[in-house]
Amino acid sequence: SQQGEEDPQALSIQEGENATMNCSYKTSINNLQWYRQNSGRGLVHLILIRSNEREKHSGRLRVTLDTSKKSSSLLITASRAADTASYFCAGSGYSTLTFGKGTMLLVSP
Amino acid sequence: DAGVIQSPRHEVTEMGQEVTLRCKPISGHNSLFWYRQTMMRGLELLIYFNNNVPIDDSGMPEDRFSAKMPNASFSTLKIQPSEPRDSAVYFCASTGTGVAGELFFGEGSRLTVL
Repeated sequence: SQQGEEDPQALSIQEGENATMNCSYKTSINNLQWYRQNSGRGLVHLILIRSNEREKHSGRLRVTLDTSKKSSSLLITASRAADTASYFCAGSGYSTLTFGKGTMLLVSP
Repeated sequence: DAGVIQSPRHEVTEMGQEVTLRCKPISGHNSLFWYRQTMMRGLELLIYFNNNVPIDDSGMPEDRFSAKMPNASFSTLKIQPSEPRDSAVYFCASTGTGVAGELFFGEGSRLTVL
């Protein structure tokens, strides 16, 4: 079953603005991860949040997890043009990661 | 560390031909994954290995696809015969922190089957 579905599918903002992406999943998870993919490149791990955590920060990234709603959000603060990429969430129960289709973020200078 | 290395980066072939994609995981990682990415279906897990042993190949679309991992530093994904619907980007990823841990992806092999 799909363990990660991102929303919105696409997001366009100006440099300096914050970007928020949401992820919903269907079954119980051990952890939820966010990845970034630049055009034509492989996925790069951004952050992992465990099921017993509610919020986690890493630089300009803030991730929240609400296990009761089976949802997570990724906030990128003070966005830069270099943040332009696709962002994927991936949930893991007791098995391998299953990825959503991603949110395409465009940050305009 | 060189990261996960995949080859070739691009492959264009004709329907019916055999295609072999290669992957070298990060040294010390004991789990290796093959994913396929298309616009329509997103990122799909094809197969994964743990300590060189195939654990779950339920994502392999059909018998035309096969994967091997003869040793800890090399894996192949083979498609024989290839079909146009196999056109996609194929990613290899590895991890040393368990199948639910952080994955390190290669840059992918973009396959076009004419």
